[in-house]
Parts: sequence; C-alpha cells; structure tokens
Amino acid sequence: AQSVTQLGSHVSVSEGALVLLRCNYSSSVPPYLFWYVQYPNQGLQLLLKYTSAATLVKGINGFEAEFKKSETSFHLTKPSAHMSDAAEYFCAVSGSGGYNKLIFGAGTRLAVHP
Amino acid sequence: NAGVTQTPKFRILKIGQSMTLQCTQDMNHNYMYWYRQDPGMGLKLIYYSVGAGITDKGEVPNGYNVSRSTTEDFPLRLELAAPSQTSVYFCASTSSGLNTGELFFGEGSRLTVL
Repeated sequence: AQSVTQLGSHVSVSEGALVLLRCNYSSSVPPYLFWYVQYPNQGLQLLLKYTSAATLVKGINGFEAEFKKSETSFHLTKPSAHMSDAAEYFCAVSGSGGYNKLIFGAGTRLAVHP
Repeated sequence: NAGVTQTPKFRILKIGQSMTLQCTQDMNHNYMYWYRQDPGMGLKLIYYSVGAGITDKGEVPNGYNVSRSTTEDFPLRLELAAPSQTSVYFCASTSSGLNTGELFFGEGSRLTVL
C-alpha cells in the first residue's frame, strides 16, 4: 500500500533563507509523487509533480523537488523564501488502482518571518 | 471560469441531523472526489466518481453517501451526523483517470457537529 510521511508539521524560516520540506514515501509500484500548497481558507493547488520523467522537478513560484528512489524521498526546496510562501504544503502519492486517488501526507505548515 | 464550487462554506449541525454538501464543476471533468481534512491528518478520500452514474468508496466512506446523476454535480450526503464528522470537506475534480495528480479543488466546506 502507498503512504506518505512528512517530517515536521511546522517549519519556520527567515525571509530569503532556504526552504526545505521533507517527504518520504512508501509504494509497492513506481510512484507518481506530488506537492500541493494550501493558502489560508483556500483549496489545494498543485505545486509540482513527478511522473517518472526527470528526477528533478520544477514547479511554480520557484519551488522544486528531487525524486530519490534510493532514499524513497521527494523533498521540496526553494532557494530563497518569500513572505508569500507562508502556507501549508502537502506531499501526495498516487494510490493503487489509478483514477488519481491521491494519498496525502499530514502536511507541513511553513511560516516565513522577516 | 468558476472551477469547482462548494456550498455551504460553513455549517453547524446537531448530532443526528442530516445534510448535503453540494459540489459542482464547470470544466466538464469526468472524475470527481470528496476529501475530508482534519488537523495533523492530511486529506482522506471519502468517495470518488469516474463519471455520471458511477461512484466508489475511498478510505473513509462510513457515515457518508454520494450520487452522481450529472457530470457537473457530485453531492455528499451526511446521514445522522456525529461529532467525528466535524471536519473541512473538499471536493475536487480532474479530466483524466491517469495518475497525473492534477486535481482542481474547491475552497472547502467547514462542518461542525455539536
């Protein structure tokens, strides 16, 4: 069965600092992996996705993630945090049986302070 | 372009009451989903539909029912509301059954059961 673990429910960084949000997955089949972002009082938006092409995936707003099969990881990074990056971030893996039934991690809330 | 629209945005129910959360999308998507989001738990799939007239259970279907009579609408019915159903509910849709992960989410419906 597929599952996702996000390390750290809260991450706090200074504006301009590196953002690193950690995600490890478990999957019995080659996984498709995703990062979503949720701004306050909004639904989730797709940030980026890995679907077995390039292992380094670039997304919107300067975020990127690297798929590392040996480490079963898909960590999200951004070189320089901006105040507008403050949000909750969810890692997800495609569930068994297709149909885009995603399995979500518990989420990491990112705070950015001046 | 409205995307995915959910109503109501907020609702308070008494234990044992019933209600329907409405979801409609104007993107002609075949695939629709209901998730619930609880703090520290991420999102859990309640039900999904691959087209009009076809629905199936997700991870946490107990206490809920759905129907899909049209492509646009996917209402979620709560029968005999319980405090455990206090949550934020998200409806989502996508055009493809492949695991692209590109779900479009509504803004959520916050339900409190007292």
